[in-house]
Amino acid sequence: DTEVTQTPKHLVMGMTNKKSLKCEQHMGHRAMYWYKQKAKKPPELMFVYSYEKLSINESVPSRFSPECPNSSLLNLHLHALQPEDSALYLCASSQDGGYGDSPLHFGNGTRLTVT
Amino acid sequence: DAKTTQPTSMDCAEGRAANLPCNHSTISGNEYVYWYRQIHSQGPQYIIHGLKNNETNEMASLIITEDRKSSTLILPHATLRDTAVYYCIVSNTGKLIFGQGTTLQVKP
Repeated sequence: DTEVTQTPKHLVMGMTNKKSLKCEQHMGHRAMYWYKQKAKKPPELMFVYSYEKLSINESVPSRFSPECPNSSLLNLHLHALQPEDSALYLCASSQDGGYGDSPLHFGNGTRLTVT
Repeated sequence: DAKTTQPTSMDCAEGRAANLPCNHSTISGNEYVYWYRQIHSQGPQYIIHGLKNNETNEMASLIITEDRKSSTLILPHATLRDTAVYYCIVSNTGKLIFGQGTTLQVKP
């Protein structure tokens, strides 16, 4: 079990669908992250929120839209995805997003399949 | 963030110590060394991190050379459940960039 909860665990969606991935943590962390991981590859950073503000966008296509409603919640809204977007989407949080002495804690991810 | 170099794969006998090396020759003075592992179909799990001094916790020990250009993660008594991909990352921000990591196979 992890302290970062991601829902749903699995998601299948068509290319015309709109769906959302959700992430929640109750550790009082002030930074939250989205990573994408393709099969047999390392995780790739997508977005970073620090104190509920988007601080890093790693040139992610606009069909991925992050949202941080409050410090405990992080959403990733998906629209018009392509089959190549199928991957494991990982959420993480850290106590402070601005300094190095703050480990990330990851959830177990949402496995997304785009058909 | 500095780049790291790790062996692609390693084997270890169950019950023996697993020593996983990492080179980070371009590390800057304020960058931490982090170790994570990822067991199949799970999210990465934080193991340990350090800046200059050696560190130990309930999972592992981290040995950082004096010039900070390399480090070694030590799992003192490896079990089958330690089979995973181990990532060494250097960072001074919350932005962790994962390399290819080392696949550790613990064998009975």
